[in-house]
Amino acid sequence: NAGVMQNPRHLVRRRGQEARLRCSPMKGHSHVYWYRQLPEEGLKFMVYLQKENIIDESGMPKERFSAEFPKEGPSILRIQQVVRGDSAAYFCASSPDQVTDTQYFGPGTRLTVL
Amino acid sequence: GIQVEQSPPDLILQEGANSTLRCNFSDSVNNLQWFHQNPWGQLINLFYIPSGTKQNGRLSATTVATERYSLLYISSSQTTDSGVYFCAVGRGSNYKLTFGKGTLLTVNP
Repeated sequence: NAGVMQNPRHLVRRRGQEARLRCSPMKGHSHVYWYRQLPEEGLKFMVYLQKENIIDESGMPKERFSAEFPKEGPSILRIQQVVRGDSAAYFCASSPDQVTDTQYFGPGTRLTVL
Repeated sequence: GIQVEQSPPDLILQEGANSTLRCNFSDSVNNLQWFHQNPWGQLINLFYIPSGTKQNGRLSATTVATERYSLLYISSSQTTDSGVYFCAVGRGSNYKLTFGKGTLLTVNP
């Protein structure tokens, strides 16, 4: 069973461009979570999604950030008009349908904004 | 929100030594996980342990939920154990893990 897949692993963008981060959960998992690791702030929850639904986006910045988890395909974290402060590691995690609480993390996408 | 404190913040060991890492949390939890972030930045699941004791090779963990702490034991440490160890906790149903700031472990040969 393949683990959580994230791509790209490294992404470089210039200020003002868009960044799209992709996450494919483990097979059979329908719960997806995004976390961000900023250098001085540690790992912070951003958003929790199930198929076609955003359940909790309380950790998402109010502007420029959006997330989706369509019926088909990976979950996407989209950052519009990136700024240098968006430079961070973005991790995706998934958990199974049934009620077990372990979240399995992907390898992360390291975003660098020039 | 719930507070998670890890200690010590930094730890330097010689290969072969044993260590204990601690995680204190401020409220009752129903999810507690330990992770190892290796020098390449990957987060590796070590334990899901909201209560009780588990062992996996040289690593073991104990959570005393009533006293709101968890311990991670590393025995006979190896250089590949180096990295940051995170404790993360959750309340309610299965989301929004709150992470501690981690313990940076350096194992010297």
